[in-house]
Amino acid sequence: DQQVKQNSPSLSVQEGRISILNCDYTNSMFDYFLWYKKYPAEGPTFLISISSIKDKNEDGRFTVFLNKSAKHLSLHIVPSQPGDSAVYFCAASAFGETSGSRLTFGEGTQLTVNP
Amino acid sequence: DSGVTQTPKHLITATGQRVTLRCSPRSGDLSVYWYQQSLDQGLQFLIQYYNGEERAKGNILERFSAQQFPDLHSELNLSSLELGDSALYFCASRPTDVAGGPKNEQFFGPGTRLTVL
Repeated sequence: DQQVKQNSPSLSVQEGRISILNCDYTNSMFDYFLWYKKYPAEGPTFLISISSIKDKNEDGRFTVFLNKSAKHLSLHIVPSQPGDSAVYFCAASAFGETSGSRLTFGEGTQLTVNP
Repeated sequence: DSGVTQTPKHLITATGQRVTLRCSPRSGDLSVYWYQQSLDQGLQFLIQYYNGEERAKGNILERFSAQQFPDLHSELNLSSLELGDSALYFCASRPTDVAGGPKNEQFFGPGTRLTVL
């Protein structure tokens, strides 16, 4: 049961344009959402997060949007830079007695930003 | 650099063997998480410890066990290894909740690549 899904395995954009990465979830108990960036042979690097009480969070070039009714979140990167080329993972968590604060990850989207 | 360290970086061993992976969390972080990333499964949660106590368990096999020591470092023990255990194993730590509500940013180490031959 894939509770967090990233339906696009890859995305290619031109430098300077907007990159939009999408993520859908099914578990309505999720109340915290995160985006991570991962380069080969490295651990995931935290990028930005959003609580379920908000619908938008912005940090520099990165903005995350949350649509709870649609169980959908997206990451916008503006402007995209070649150094942004990496695999991006969406993750979600639900605080609770048995779930702790584990992260449930999507499959990842490979972003390629072309110069 | 996330501040989370993991050793060794690479481990090559044979089926049936036992290995220990080590993780040191960021200074001050009490929570440690272990995740497995295999080719066909993506990043999967294995187990969480908080200040020395097991807090939550995920899809962790009975052949695998973990513990967190008084100095907060953690070890993941994998025994009776099978070919399918070949994967990247990541450790993450999480800051203690601060004013403003709980957050769940987890900071990952560089991982240990385990190859079982």
